Amino acid sequence: RKEVEQDPGPFNVPEGATVAFNCTYSNSASQSFFWYRQDCRKEPKLLMSVYSSGNEDGRFTAQLNRASQYISLLIRDSKLSDSATYLCVVNPYRGKLIFGQGTTLQVKP
Amino acid sequence: EAQVTQNPRYLITVTGKKLTVTCSQNMNHEYMSWYRQDPGLGLRQIYYSMNVEVTDKGDVPEGYKVSRKEKRNFPLILESPSPNQTSLYFCASRSRVPETQYFGPGTRLLVL
Repeated sequence: RKEVEQDPGPFNVPEGATVAFNCTYSNSASQSFFWYRQDCRKEPKLLMSVYSSGNEDGRFTAQLNRASQYISLLIRDSKLSDSATYLCVVNPYRGKLIFGQGTTLQVKP
Repeated sequence: EAQVTQNPRYLITVTGKKLTVTCSQNMNHEYMSWYRQDPGLGLRQIYYSMNVEVTDKGDVPEGYKVSRKEKRNFPLILESPSPNQTSLYFCASRSRVPETQYFGPGTRLLVL
C-alpha cells in the first residue's frame, strides 16, 4: 500500500462545477497535511495547509479525518484557471514529506 | 524576492560524466531537500538537510550525493549518472512558521 494515495483522475468538469478530491495516508502518526498545486510540470506551490478543524480559503475547503486517515479538498465554482494537478502531501515525522501522485483537474468552458 | 534557484534548468549528459545541480535559497531556511519527479511515480525525496552539515537520505538516495556547507546552498551531485536518473529534479526549502515548502523551478536532466 502506498503511503499516500490519490485518485489520479483526470477529473473533467465544466466551469462553475464543484469538485472534490480525496487522499488517504497510511501512517497514523502523521503530523501535518497539505495540498499543493502543480501546473504542467512546473514547480509545486502550496495551496493550503489542512487543519484538524477543517479550513477554508475562498472557493477552497480542506478537511482532515484522522480516524479514517483521509484528507479532502473541495473546490467550488470551478474556474478555467483551476486546471492543474493537485498534490496531497503528508508529514509523517520531522524532516519528511510524502507526496501523493497527484489528481489532475481539467475545467472546461 | 524570496526564492529558490536551481541551475542548470536543462541538462543533457552522457552516462558516467559527473555533474552537479546547484540549489540556493535566500530565505534563511534551515530545511532543504531534493526531489525527483517521474511519470506515474510522483515526487520522491532524494535527500534532505535539517541544517548546515546535517543531511539524511530520503526515499531514493542511490546514485546521489549532497552537501550542506552553508545554509543557503544545497547542491545535488551525481557522481556517475545513469539513464535511469533521467528525470525532473526539484530543490526545495521549508519555512517553519507558517510551515510552507518552496520549490525551485526544476531541472530537467537527460542522461544518454
